[in-house]
Amino acid sequence: NAGVMQNPRHLVRRRGQEARLRCSPMKGHSHVYWYRQLPEEGLKFMVYLQKENIIDESGMPKERFSAEFPKEGPSILRIQQVVRGDSAAYFCASSQGSGRSLRETQYFGPGTRLLVL
Amino acid sequence: AQSVAQPEDQVNVAEGNPLTVKCTYSVSGNPYLFWYVQYPNRGLQFLLKYITGDNLVKGSYGFEAEFNKSQTSFHLKKPSALVSDSALYFCAVRDRGPRDSSASKIIFGSGTRLSIRP
Repeated sequence: NAGVMQNPRHLVRRRGQEARLRCSPMKGHSHVYWYRQLPEEGLKFMVYLQKENIIDESGMPKERFSAEFPKEGPSILRIQQVVRGDSAAYFCASSQGSGRSLRETQYFGPGTRLLVL
Repeated sequence: AQSVAQPEDQVNVAEGNPLTVKCTYSVSGNPYLFWYVQYPNRGLQFLLKYITGDNLVKGSYGFEAEFNKSQTSFHLKKPSALVSDSALYFCAVRDRGPRDSSASKIIFGSGTRLSIRP
C-alpha cells in the first residue's frame, strides 16, 4: 500500500512565479491536510480538505495561497506570485474514515521543498 | 486552545544510554497526543499516540511514551539509544476543527533535535 505521495520533491521558483504542489493521499484516505515547515521550525497547519470541500483553512495566508482537492486527482496547493518568504518545506498528510475521530492518525508524505530565488 | 511545548531544543545522549525527550501539553477536554520523528530531508514518520487507556504507550523502533495527567506531560523514552535514532522529534496534539463533529489539524511542538554519539 503506497504511502502519501507528493510531487515534486524539490521546486525552484523565481519571485513572482506560481508554485503548484501536488499530494496524493494514501489509498482509501479521503482527508488531506497541508502543513508548512520553515527552516529550523516545527510544522504549522495550513488547510484541511475533504473531497471537493475545504473544511478548515484557518492556517492559510489570506492572499496568494489556495488549495483544492477535486473529486478526481490529487490535492493541489497553489501559491501565486511567490516571494522569498514562501521558501519552506510543504508537507501533506492524509487520514481515512469520517474525519470525526480525533483518534485518527495522520500519515505524512515526504514533502515538497520550495526554494524561491 | 490546544498546545504542546518541547522545552529542549537539543538532547545529546551516548549510544546505549536511556533517552528522554520531554513534552508538556495544554488541552481542553481529553488529550490526543502524538510523537513523530523526522529524519534529514524526509517527511514525518508516526511513532506512537496516546488516546486512552494505559499511560505507557509503546510505539515504533523501541520507543515508548508515558502519559502523566497530573504533570500534563507526555515524554518520549527509549531504554537504550542507537546512533540511528538521531533525528528531529515532534510532540503533537490533535485539535478539534471548526465544527464539533469534525477533527482537523495537528498542533506540533517546536521539535527537539536528538543526537546520539557513538
